[in-house]
Amino acid sequence: DAKTTQPNSMESNEEEPVHLPCNHSTISGTDYIHWYRQLPSQGPEYVIHGLTSNVNNRMASLAIAEDRKSSTLILHRATLRDAAVYYCILRDYNTDKLIFGTGTRLQVFP
Amino acid sequence: EAGVAQSPRYKIIEKRQSVAFWCNPISGHATLYWYQQILGQGPKLLIQFQNNGVVDDSQLPKDRFSAERLKGVDSTLKIQPAKLEDSAVYLCASSFIGQGAGYEQYFGPGTRLTVT
Repeated sequence: DAKTTQPNSMESNEEEPVHLPCNHSTISGTDYIHWYRQLPSQGPEYVIHGLTSNVNNRMASLAIAEDRKSSTLILHRATLRDAAVYYCILRDYNTDKLIFGTGTRLQVFP
Repeated sequence: EAGVAQSPRYKIIEKRQSVAFWCNPISGHATLYWYQQILGQGPKLLIQFQNNGVVDDSQLPKDRFSAERLKGVDSTLKIQPAKLEDSAVYLCASSFIGQGAGYEQYFGPGTRLTVT
């Protein structure tokens, strides 16, 4: 199973942009890059996913490197509610599995 | 749209006792997943159902864990007998279609199990 590497923790101030990095040097052609986040005492929730091109949705943007060996989740203006553990996951098109790592714990300060 | 429902939310049992968790997925979702999340770790997939058939149970400790999904809707996960290392949050998730990496999974709030 393809693995990802993320920093254990990051900090941000409220209303500032946040860039959460993820390395996935062993990514294969059938792997999609998914991001989920887990707020305290809740189940994970989907944030965004992509294959090759950069993606935007109402929650965040996903920037994917040209060689697909790394990606960055961008929160354009962090709020206190964005404090969570963010998981970068490679999801194989064929197996449909989500394999979670330990993620990045994001702290947001007022 | 109602989310994934799980019950109970919390459960405390002694080791060697039995426990069961219940999950009701989002209406119309064919695929259902059970995950185990130990404190400080990411969720780990235990079992995946497509309708009422098992797609993947390779990580399920079958000597003590069992799961079923009758009629392709609700599901129960059982542990018998429980061990101290089973203390974790048990998460249920569902998705519209199993195959295809673009389909997101919707997670329930989880059941926090403490084994003493």
